[in-house]
Amino acid sequence: DGGITQSPKYLFRKEGQNVTLSCEQNLNHDAMYWYRQDPGQGLRLIYYSQIVNDFQKGDIAEGYSVSREKKESFPLTVTSAQKNPTAFYLCASSPGPDRLGEQYFGPGTRLTVT
Amino acid sequence: DAKTTQPPSMDCAEGRAANLPCNHSTISGNEYVYWYRQIHSQGPQYIIHGLKNNETNEMASLIITEDRKSSTLILPHATLRDTAVYYCIVRVRTGTASKLTFGTGTRLQVTL
Repeated sequence: DGGITQSPKYLFRKEGQNVTLSCEQNLNHDAMYWYRQDPGQGLRLIYYSQIVNDFQKGDIAEGYSVSREKKESFPLTVTSAQKNPTAFYLCASSPGPDRLGEQYFGPGTRLTVT
Repeated sequence: DAKTTQPPSMDCAEGRAANLPCNHSTISGNEYVYWYRQIHSQGPQYIIHGLKNNETNEMASLIITEDRKSSTLILPHATLRDTAVYYCIVRVRTGTASKLTFGTGTRLQVTL
């Protein structure tokens, strides 16, 4: 089945540790995105990538880093510099420059930092 | 991107049609209407989109008024699994990859 996978579903870390969230898609989509969602809030864009080896900061990129070495993979690292890392993280992809409004989301990773 | 206005919540009996309205009075000529939904603790799910003609797919129908200032998402036979927050988003279809701006949406509760 084609789709987007995120792992793990739940992740627990101690404060001060970096953590990497996985996002893989087999939809052959060009663009990929990382969003963050806090309880009762909307989605906020962290980073996005339109093509391999290229990515752009979103609205809340501070304390996060990404890479896009392969078309199908877009991992997100939450660094110790992120002040409030506990949140629900969502990865998405979109087919191409003529279908940017269609974004397909993974199941999300719920990160808890204590 | 144009701003949208949706009612905060709606109820619908299972098996009946759910009609979810959205106002987008400042929509531009090249902006499309997109609908997504988010079931609790899951990622948002793309449902349908349209420009000015009515659209239908296996999930829903989208009715856009002639002046394009409002639209209605129709779930023809709502089930309990359709309980979710539904988001109406207006944006251009092409160009540079960018975020989807999810507002507060409509919380649809389907009941027995």
